[in-house]
Amino acid sequence: QVQLVESGGGVVQPGRSLRLSCAASGFTFSSYGMHWVRQAPGKGLEWVAVIWYDGSNKYYADSVKGRFTISRDNSKNTLYLQMNSLRAEDTAVYYCASGYTAMVIWGQGTMVTVSS
Amino acid sequence: QSALTQPASVSGSPGQSITISCTGTSSDVGGYNYVSWYQQHPGKAPKLMIYEVSNRPSGVSNRFSGSKSGNTASLTISGLQAEDEADYYCSSYTSSSSWVFGGGTKLTVL
Repeated sequence: QVQLVESGGGVVQPGRSLRLSCAASGFTFSSYGMHWVRQAPGKGLEWVAVIWYDGSNKYYADSVKGRFTISRDNSKNTLYLQMNSLRAEDTAVYYCASGYTAMVIWGQGTMVTVSS
Repeated sequence: QSALTQPASVSGSPGQSITISCTGTSSDVGGYNYVSWYQQHPGKAPKLMIYEVSNRPSGVSNRFSGSKSGNTASLTISGLQAEDEADYYCSSYTSSSSWVFGGGTKLTVL
């Protein structure tokens, strides 16, 4: 069935880096744009980044621009989020989602905690 | 990238209808027909309920409907059921080629 599975979350110190992955199955991954969306504990959803189906265009929220990089490997049906210079305010559940004009399919999320 | 404005909470009794508003600007909600709505139950991932203002994905009940007027989009749920109790978020494409969410609305079914 159509599925997105995130991995790579964990506890990391401020200023360090982490890379999240999102494995897609059950659909033609290379045909769809992909988003990262995060949700801080007890808070609402915050859009993080989007990448076009072929990786040709990428856009970021101001809060992560210059620190986070979204990428994809269509040969591996996998989406990535490289997170550098992490801050306490980056602590959240990170979801990947497929689609472009809307976030159609969502993964279950992976928790990232930035703490010393 | 300011968040879209939603009421913090709404409530209704089973069988009633409720409407959740989502107010943005001409640079997001008012400028594009790329408004979507998501339902999120506690501890779960969000679920797409409405896309491109008024379209329902396959499998979503026709009790859910969306509309837009100017800079404000709306989600209406008719025939409220207990399982509709959840948080609801609107989202819109923006003129910066980015997306923005609303702050979320907690729906309570009385």
